[in-house]
Amino acid sequence: QSALTQPPSASGSPGQSVTISCTGTSSDVGGYYYVSWYQQHPGKVPKLMIYEVTKRPSGVPDRFSGSKSGNTASLTVSGLQAEDEADYYCYSYSGSNNGGVFGGGTKLTVL
Amino acid sequence: VQLVQSGAEVKKPGASVKVSCKASGYTFIGYYIHWVRQAPGQGLEWLGWINTNGGHTNYAQKFQGRVTLTRDTSITTAYMELSSLRSDDTAVYYCVRGVEWELRYWGQGTLVTVSS
Repeated sequence: QSALTQPPSASGSPGQSVTISCTGTSSDVGGYYYVSWYQQHPGKVPKLMIYEVTKRPSGVPDRFSGSKSGNTASLTVSGLQAEDEADYYCYSYSGSNNGGVFGGGTKLTVL
Repeated sequence: VQLVQSGAEVKKPGASVKVSCKASGYTFIGYYIHWVRQAPGQGLEWLGWINTNGGHTNYAQKFQGRVTLTRDTSITTAYMELSSLRSDDTAVYYCVRGVEWELRYWGQGTLVTVSS
């Protein structure tokens, strides 16, 4: 299955909001409520930030939120902080093979 | 929850590698173990999952025939074996505990280098 489409980069100033998109098809993002988002700082292990489109694991700040419309899911980071600078990956369940597929990743820069 | 992976490996092209993932801190049976890799400077790539309850597996089409996921419930350890290694298989390989559609707890990663 093809990778989900994410913008390669995004940026915002401290305190601002930024939204990262993740576009798939009706066989993955659009067909299921199983989109998750992962944050990865350089040299570190990825961390789950959002699961099942909108849910936050315990310990993840409520500045992070997720949504979905049609075949596109989105991650919004509000009140940007310096520590939010990282790579972000979306992941979706894919019904085409009962497996999963990642987006290509978005590098978020806090200006 | 803790997933501890085996150490770095250096392999020659055409060889196979087997990475282990020792799970602790939770009931091993009842969760999926996914395997994900990340080539240097690149994004995340899903390889497949194993359902620890019964051992059923599912692989990404790209890796069908080259990857084998197994588990040993007696020692709460999962394994990923990748065969016919090529230079572009050089990557950090992660095991991840989750459910079928979500990757929640990640191992520390194992660097596999394929070089002649």
